[in-house]
Amino acid sequence: DGGITQSPKYLFRKEGQNVTLSCEQNLNHDAMYWYRQDPGQGLRLIYYSQIVNDFQKGDIAEGYSVSREKKESFPLTVTSAQKNPTAFYLCASSMGRQGSGELFFGEGSRLTVL
Amino acid sequence: GENVEQHPSTLSVQEGDSAVIKCTYSDSASNYFPWYKQELGKGPQLIIDIRSNVGEKKDQRIAVTLNKTAKHFSLHITETQPEDSAVYFCAASIGDYKLSFGAGTTVTVRA
Repeated sequence: DGGITQSPKYLFRKEGQNVTLSCEQNLNHDAMYWYRQDPGQGLRLIYYSQIVNDFQKGDIAEGYSVSREKKESFPLTVTSAQKNPTAFYLCASSMGRQGSGELFFGEGSRLTVL
Repeated sequence: GENVEQHPSTLSVQEGDSAVIKCTYSDSASNYFPWYKQELGKGPQLIIDIRSNVGEKKDQRIAVTLNKTAKHFSLHITETQPEDSAVYFCAASIGDYKLSFGAGTTVTVRA
């Protein structure tokens, strides 16, 4: 089935450690996104990529890094510089300029910093 | 940047009644307004969207209205059913890439 696969579903990390969240899509979508979801705050955009080898900062990029070396993959690294990393992280993709604008989301990764 | 406010934060309705969620946006250049539904443990899913050249759009029991002058848009769910219980998010963007989401509304349909 086509879709967005995020892994791991749950992740625990100690303070000071970097952690990488995986996001893979087989929808042949050009654009990919990372959102952070906190209770009562909706979804906030961390980074997005419109095309391979290119990405832009979203509204809350500090303490995060991404890469887009392949069309199918858009991994997110939560670095030790992120002051409050415990959150639910959602990856999404869309067709981009040729599409309707609809975002297709994965099922999320919940990161807990101990 | 765009700021989207969503009300109410929680909504409890009797099965069969209607539910209305309202959102306001700040940037008059925004031209795309989707609504997403998030069920427990899952990612959000698009349920309906509207563009700024349209005032209303309907899909079975759900409808969205847009008032560009007042910069607000609303989601209407009629004849609510238990499976409508979820968190609903409105969003707004200029173009398709940088969606700004509201804080979400938790809808509970009472049997």
